[in-house]
Amino acid sequence: ETGVTQSPTHLIKTRGQQVTLRCSSQSGHNTVSWYQQALGQGPQFIFQYYREEENGRGNFPPRFSGLQFPNYSSELNVNALELDDSALYLCASSPTGTGPPEAFFGQGTRLTVV
Amino acid sequence: ILNVEQSPQSLHVQEGDSTNFTCSFPSSNFYALHWYRWETAKSPEALFVMTLNGDEKKKGRISATLNTKEGYSYLYIKGSQPEDSATYLCAFENWQAGTALIFGKGTTLSVSS
Repeated sequence: ETGVTQSPTHLIKTRGQQVTLRCSSQSGHNTVSWYQQALGQGPQFIFQYYREEENGRGNFPPRFSGLQFPNYSSELNVNALELDDSALYLCASSPTGTGPPEAFFGQGTRLTVV
Repeated sequence: ILNVEQSPQSLHVQEGDSTNFTCSFPSSNFYALHWYRWETAKSPEALFVMTLNGDEKKKGRISATLNTKEGYSYLYIKGSQPEDSATYLCAFENWQAGTALIFGKGTTLSVSS
């Protein structure tokens, strides 16, 4: 396994509610990225955090927000949940250095919105 | 819109068969191409990161090639085994998209014994 852990593994929420997903990055990694994988699609980039600052964002509305903590763990928050937010949410951590970083993924959180 | 295409979507082979998949990506502003293997109920596992046109990488029975000028990469599996059954994802990075990985939908391989 990669050393990236996500919690919870599964979650059921009601439309309109808010949810927080958590990710512990691999030791030594200061960059965390979040991806959404809807059914039948490849993972879609939500945003990335580097040293507690947002460092890039995909095409997701502002109700998707995040945090990175001093220990480089991260949270993904989604407000006003919609049915289409039902998906697998993946967290990936990576080190910084020369060349393209290798991203290490967690197992994901399966979110179901009903 | 930056788009990554993978083909085939799925395939089924017999143990011992060799197989290959294709990943197509925009060739402009290329930075890197990643391949991942994703087994059910596990996390995606990085196989290769390639950056240079003509790169070839190998890990055991799996190898990959890269053509950045025409925008494609091939993943080859020699002598497929049942444990190779997984979804293989490719992801593309370019200077325009910053540090985001842009994924294809994957190729799902099933190997029968």
